[in-house]
Amino acid sequence: DSGVTQTPKHLITATGQRVTLRCSPRSGDLSVYWYQQSLDQGLQFLIHYYNGEERAKGNILERFSAQQFPDLHSELNLSSLELGDSALYFCASSVEGGRNTEAFFGQGTRLTVV
Amino acid sequence: AQSVTQLDSQVPVFEEAPVELRCNYSSSVSVYLFWYVQYPNQGLQLLLKYLSGSTLVKGINGFEAEFNKSQTSFHLRKPSVHISDTAEYFCAVSDSYKLSFGAGTTVTVRA
Repeated sequence: DSGVTQTPKHLITATGQRVTLRCSPRSGDLSVYWYQQSLDQGLQFLIHYYNGEERAKGNILERFSAQQFPDLHSELNLSSLELGDSALYFCASSVEGGRNTEAFFGQGTRLTVV
Repeated sequence: AQSVTQLDSQVPVFEEAPVELRCNYSSSVSVYLFWYVQYPNQGLQLLLKYLSGSTLVKGINGFEAEFNKSQTSFHLRKPSVHISDTAEYFCAVSDSYKLSFGAGTTVTVRA
C-alpha cells in the first residue's frame, strides 16, 4: 500500500458526460501528479500541483481540469467525454516535487467511456 | 526535455534465469532515474532510483540497476527471476517537476 488513495476504482460512463476523479496523497506529501495510462499512448503526464498551486502541465486536454484543495487532496475533472478518454488514470504524490524526489502511485481509476 | 527509451517491449524469461531490461536516457544535465514495476491490475511501485553517488543501485525484490553515463544507460537486472516477477517495468527520468516514462517492458516469467 503506497498510502495514496484514489476513488473510485472503476467508472463507466457515457460519451458527453462529466466525471470527477479523486486523489488523497500520502500524509505529509505536498505534491500531487496526475497521469493517464492507455495502450496507445503509454503513461502520459497530465498535471502537477504543489501545495495548492499548479506547478507543471503536460498533455492535458482543455476538456480536463484539476485542482488541489487546502487539505491537499486533488480532483481531476474530465468533461465532454469521448471514447478515446477511456484509460487508467493514476494519481501520485511526493513530499516536495523536486527532480530528486520519488513519487508514490495510487492504484488508479479505470475509466470506461461507452 | 529529458526522455527515456526502453529498448525491449517484451522479454520472456524462464524461472530462475537472469533478466536484463534496457533503458537509455537523453539528458545534457544531471539526471535522476527511476525504475517502477506495475503488477497486473495494480499501480506503479518504485523498484529503485539513481540520484547520485554509486553507479550500482540496489532495489527491492533483488533488482539492481547500473547507471552508465558514457553510454547514457540505466539497465535493470535481476540474477534469478521468479514467476511473481511477471509484470510491466517502466524506466523514468525526472524532468521539470514531473516523471517522464518509457513505453514499458513486459516481462513474462515461465516455469
